[in-house]
Amino acid sequence: EVVLTQSPLSLPVTLGQSASISCRSSQGLVHTDGNIYLSWFQQRPGQSPRRLIYQVSNRDSGVPDRFSGSGSGTDFTLKITRVEAEDVGVYHCMQGSHWPRTFGQGTKVEIK
Amino acid sequence: QVQLQTSGPGLVKPSETLSLTCTVSGYYISSGYYWDWIRQPPGKGLEWIGTIQASGHTYSNPSLKSRVTISVDTSKNQFSLRLNSVTAADTAVYYCARGPSADYWDQGTLVIVSS
Repeated sequence: EVVLTQSPLSLPVTLGQSASISCRSSQGLVHTDGNIYLSWFQQRPGQSPRRLIYQVSNRDSGVPDRFSGSGSGTDFTLKITRVEAEDVGVYHCMQGSHWPRTFGQGTKVEIK
Repeated sequence: QVQLQTSGPGLVKPSETLSLTCTVSGYYISSGYYWDWIRQPPGKGLEWIGTIQASGHTYSNPSLKSRVTISVDTSKNQFSLRLNSVTAADTAVYYCARGPSADYWDQGTLVIVSS
């Protein structure tokens, strides 16, 4: 099973500043079809997760361009620039390249 | 607009079977994609349970595999989860989602295992 390790697990951020979350995989995430199925999700308090980024760096429709994904190999990053109050919540990474699909532990973003 | 909605009991007794059904609207299951079940124990992270395709091909998390059955009914545009021999550790919010990258989720259903 692929283990995804997120860091930090808690991230206090000042409004207007940037935040970065790391997701490290225990093995490479290249699927047999050549794609990397690494996604990022935002889960606001009391809500279902919402996908923000798919295949490492593709932003979903309606997601502000303040959110960006990057990475390769076993290291992936979600960056939030100009953090706003509505960005508070837990962020999860997930890999779908290998069975079973797995999630990171989640990173809680809060405002300082 | 793709929408998913789960139905099923919110309380299950220990050792019994948890049964949930996810109804999809705005997209025909038979048209493709995977259809996933994911859960989240209170205050904890997300755990992927398993998936099914319209063909009926399934894959379940090995940690739960012996207890999990996932089925699909394309005529009703639904897919279902059965988890048997439940314990308190199975108490969680259960989600259905469209795979492989979970682009659409339902609102989640809290299932409590308690006598």
